[in-house]
Amino acid sequence: AQSVTQPDIHITVSEGASLELRCNYSYGATPYLFWYVQSPGQGLQLLLKYFSGDTLVQGIKGFEAEFKRSQSSFNLRKPSVHWSDAAEYFCAVAPGVGTYKYIFGTGTRLKVLA
Amino acid sequence: EAGVVQSPRYKIIEKKQPVAFWCNPISGHNTLYWYLQNLGQGPELLIRYENEEAVDDSQLPKDRFSAERLKGVDSTLKIQPAELGDSAVYLCASSAQGALINQPQHFGDGTRLSIL
Repeated sequence: AQSVTQPDIHITVSEGASLELRCNYSYGATPYLFWYVQSPGQGLQLLLKYFSGDTLVQGIKGFEAEFKRSQSSFNLRKPSVHWSDAAEYFCAVAPGVGTYKYIFGTGTRLKVLA
Repeated sequence: EAGVVQSPRYKIIEKKQPVAFWCNPISGHNTLYWYLQNLGQGPELLIRYENEEAVDDSQLPKDRFSAERLKGVDSTLKIQPAELGDSAVYLCASSAQGALINQPQHFGDGTRLSIL
């Protein structure tokens, strides 16, 4: 069965520091991969997605993610974190073409220190 | 472009009472999803609609949950009777042109349900 693992439940970084959030998936073929962000009391907002092609994907708000097939990973990065980035981040996987079922990870809560 | 609108934002009821949530998707989005998000977890799909047809309700607990999307636009999710374990956030999402994977899902702000 497909699964998504976000090994870090909480991460704390200082404002201006770099950030990397980890995501590993379990699936036999190349899945479709997403990162969403959820601010407190809000819904999920799509940051970026990977379907195919260039394995480094640029998203909104200065985020990027890199797909590494050999490691079954899709880690999210940002070179310099802003206080407004404090939120919960979800990695999601969709198994393939013609499917709509996103499988979400359990999320990583980001805290940003001033 | 207006986003996915959900109401109410918060609902507190006593167990065994009925409750209903409403969702209005992004205009033109044919596909509508209801998700359940428990505290500290990612969303889990309850039901998916293509227009007015429920094409996947396999994860919907049908003994107490029901949903409808009568005109293929807005949708209602109902719980009757509510149980303590139903306390969660209920998210609605929509996507364009069916459930093609290159049409990402757009989420509403959710309804936070608390059962007393």
